[in-house]
Amino acid sequence: DTAVSQTPKYLVTQMGNDKSIKCEQNLGHDTMYWYKQDSKKFLKIMFSYNNKELIINETVPNRFSPKSPDKAHLNLHINSLELGDSAVYFCASSSGLAGGLYNEQFFGPGTRLTVL
Amino acid sequence: DQQVKQNSPSLSVQEGRISILNCDYTNSMFDYFLWYKKYPAEGPTFLISISSIKDKNEDGRFTVFLNKSAKHLSLHIVPSQPGDSAVYFCAASVGSSNTGKLIFGQGTTLQVKP
Repeated sequence: DTAVSQTPKYLVTQMGNDKSIKCEQNLGHDTMYWYKQDSKKFLKIMFSYNNKELIINETVPNRFSPKSPDKAHLNLHINSLELGDSAVYFCASSSGLAGGLYNEQFFGPGTRLTVL
Repeated sequence: DQQVKQNSPSLSVQEGRISILNCDYTNSMFDYFLWYKKYPAEGPTFLISISSIKDKNEDGRFTVFLNKSAKHLSLHIVPSQPGDSAVYFCAASVGSSNTGKLIFGQGTTLQVKP
């Protein structure tokens, strides 16, 4: 059983389209995250939800909107896709927010988004 | 403004030898540090961590050293095995922020040659 799963694994789409990436975790964690890994391989936090409440909202375009229907799911919707959105997007989860052990985040396999 | 830096993009070592991966940080508020390992087409997986109240943490073949005055940490892998070949990410957090936010370095690709 996969602990953190993402769908789809690959996503190829045209500029201007709207797409969604789904994430589910079966670890019973309270906190979920979205990261973006760009072409320079940096992993950067985008959003974080704790018990369905938005905790982290980094400086990302408002075309990106996370949605957490419940604690086990955090989906990422992207509107009006642009070439620069091409990247690998990782979902992650952790058991809490505080430091120490709670920061051990478990990552999904990633979704490679290619915008043509 | 990259607060966590891994200045060596790649490292190649012989099987059985020691691998040393380095990481520097600039934010003195960071109090918890983690190393993640990533294979191609997979997500990062947690490897080992260290709190700022310690200067060393060991787990089997993996040891992380923290030098707070130099704002530097390193991961030692002894002995290195071909299966250790992967990208290693250093990450840091401010525990008191209660956000769970991790700041990652850009990764170091380790190749262990048989």
